[in-house]
Amino acid sequence: QVQLVQSGAEVKKPGASVKVSCKASGYTFTSYGISWVRQAPGQGLEWMGWISAYNGNTNYAQKLQGRVTMTTDTSTSTAYMELRSLRSDDTAVYYCARELASDYWGQGTLVTVSS
Amino acid sequence: EIVLTQSPATLSLSPGERATLSCRASQSVSSYLAWYQQKPGQAPRLLIYDASNRATGIPARFSGSGSGTDFTLTISSLEPEDFAVYYCQQRSNWPVTFGQGTRLEIK
Repeated sequence: QVQLVQSGAEVKKPGASVKVSCKASGYTFTSYGISWVRQAPGQGLEWMGWISAYNGNTNYAQKLQGRVTMTTDTSTSTAYMELRSLRSDDTAVYYCARELASDYWGQGTLVTVSS
Repeated sequence: EIVLTQSPATLSLSPGERATLSCRASQSVSSYLAWYQQKPGQAPRLLIYDASNRATGIPARFSGSGSGTDFTLTISSLEPEDFAVYYCQQRSNWPVTFGQGTRLEIK
């Protein structure tokens, strides 16, 4: 069965970086892209970007350009999302999901940014 | 950026009633519109993709319609487990965008 398993919760200080992983199983990893979506406490869903697991092409939300990098490791079927220069308003649950109309989602990773 | 506006913000209905949720796009998204359901503490769940196609395992009481700029999610007869927040999402143009959500609550 298809599964996306994300890394555990993180607590970071303002200005630091975080890297969240998303390990895929149950399907051919390179046949689908991976989207990253975040949700601040009590707020709606915010699309962060997408990466092709086939060729590594990316498309990022403009507001995160320059701070976010999405990568994949096809040898381990794992996608990564790194967010730099963290601010308090980056506190959110971060989700990976398969493709753009996302039929499978990871369990979410809570990233807390606090001094 | 395509803005998706969902209405109403909150919908109060009783089990067994029919729910109609709206999503309007600021420009045409063709049929590249999806609907998700989210319950507290859970990841979103895909209900409908490409405006009117039910995702795998989604009950027939959920249906989607529309194209261009106006879309509707209909739940024909509400079950207790349907009370949740619903989001629309477009993938027609970069960046992908979500609506702000409609909260479906028990009356």
